Amino acid sequence: AQSVTQLDSHVSVSEGTPVLLRCNYSSSYSPSLFWYVQHPNKGLQLLLKYTSAATLVKGINGFEAEFKKSETSFHLTKPSAHMSDAAEYFCVVSSNQAGTALIFGKGTTLSVSS
Amino acid sequence: EAQVTQNPRYLITVTGKKLTVTCSQNMNHEYMSWYRQDPGLGLRQIYYSMNVEVTDKGDVPEGYKVSRKEKRNFPLILESPSPNQTSLYFCASRSTGGKGQPQHFGDGTRLSIL
Repeated sequence: AQSVTQLDSHVSVSEGTPVLLRCNYSSSYSPSLFWYVQHPNKGLQLLLKYTSAATLVKGINGFEAEFKKSETSFHLTKPSAHMSDAAEYFCVVSSNQAGTALIFGKGTTLSVSS
Repeated sequence: EAQVTQNPRYLITVTGKKLTVTCSQNMNHEYMSWYRQDPGLGLRQIYYSMNVEVTDKGDVPEGYKVSRKEKRNFPLILESPSPNQTSLYFCASRSTGGKGQPQHFGDGTRLSIL
């Protein structure tokens, strides 16, 4: 069965410093992996996705993630945090080959201080 | 603008009073899905539909019904709501193409069942 573990429920950074949100996954086949962001009172917005092409994936707003099969990880990074990055972030894996469902991690709340 | 639209955005109601949450997408997507989001549990799938007249259960279908009579609409029906269905609900859609296609989410519907 597929599963996702976000290793930190809450991450706090200062504006201008790097962001690292950690995600490990388990999958019995070659996975599709996603990072979504949720701002308060809004839906989920896709940041980036990995679908077995390049292992370093670039997304919107300066975010990127690296797929590491040997470590079963898909960590999200950004070189310099902005105040507007404060939100909840979800690491997500597709549940099966047909993509009939997404399996969500529990989420990481990112706080950014000035 | 490509979007998934849910209505209502907020609803407070009482136990046993039937309600329907509507979901509509304008992207001509075949696949649609409903999720609920609860604190500490992330998002869990309720039902999904691969196309018109084709629906299937997700992880937490008890107490919910869906229908897919038109491609653009996928309403969620609570025939006899109970307090444990108090939650934040999201509708999502994606095109065909399997597990690599990202899902597009609505802004959510917050239901409170008293």
